[in-house]
Amino acid sequence: QKEVEQNSGPLSVPEGAIASLNCTYSDRVSQSFFWYRQYSGKSPELIMSIYSNGDKEDGRFTAQLNKASQYVSLLIRDSQPSDSATYLCAVRIAGGTSYGKLTFGQGTILTVHP
Amino acid sequence: GAVVSQHPSWVICKSGTSVKIECRSLDFQATTMFWYRQFPKQSLMLMATSNEGSKATYEQGVEKDKFLINHASLTLSTLTVTSAHPEDSSFYICSAKGQYEQYFGPGTRLTVT
Repeated sequence: QKEVEQNSGPLSVPEGAIASLNCTYSDRVSQSFFWYRQYSGKSPELIMSIYSNGDKEDGRFTAQLNKASQYVSLLIRDSQPSDSATYLCAVRIAGGTSYGKLTFGQGTILTVHP
Repeated sequence: GAVVSQHPSWVICKSGTSVKIECRSLDFQATTMFWYRQFPKQSLMLMATSNEGSKATYEQGVEKDKFLINHASLTLSTLTVTSAHPEDSSFYICSAKGQYEQYFGPGTRLTVT
């Protein structure tokens, strides 16, 4: 089982719809969770971080974390064509000798069509 | 968010030569920096973790003598690809860790001819 799993997609939604991106992780001691957006040919850009159970909202983005189910999601409301990108879920395990390195999922390709 | 710069943004070099890539955190101090490599249509692959003032920790399968990492200050880490070969052609991305979050530089596209 991969440490961080995402549906690779592609996920296609119409403009204005809600895009729902999901991520599961295997290590129960994971403590920090991040969503990055990566446009083709560019480096990842941090869009959301979440550390505790529940929802966290920032503009059109909402991250949801459920540690009991080892599940984190990202909702994008009012999706725009400019949201078309690969979305990477990343998980950090605290402590140990990992120096806080992130473990990434393989990414979900999102396409928002007009 | 915090700003991380990388230089150069792209470089072409001949096989057998060495290339140095710089990574700087511009508005925060980063005790830990990470170096990734990404091939087309593939996910990020962590190469090494760099801590200021100490030796880098390399991931399994990454040759430490080929990919030299130096983290001389809290704002600068460098990656030197030594004796580059065409198979080293890739997108190299650094990342700097702040207190909680990790920010990526814009990446360096290396082409070895």
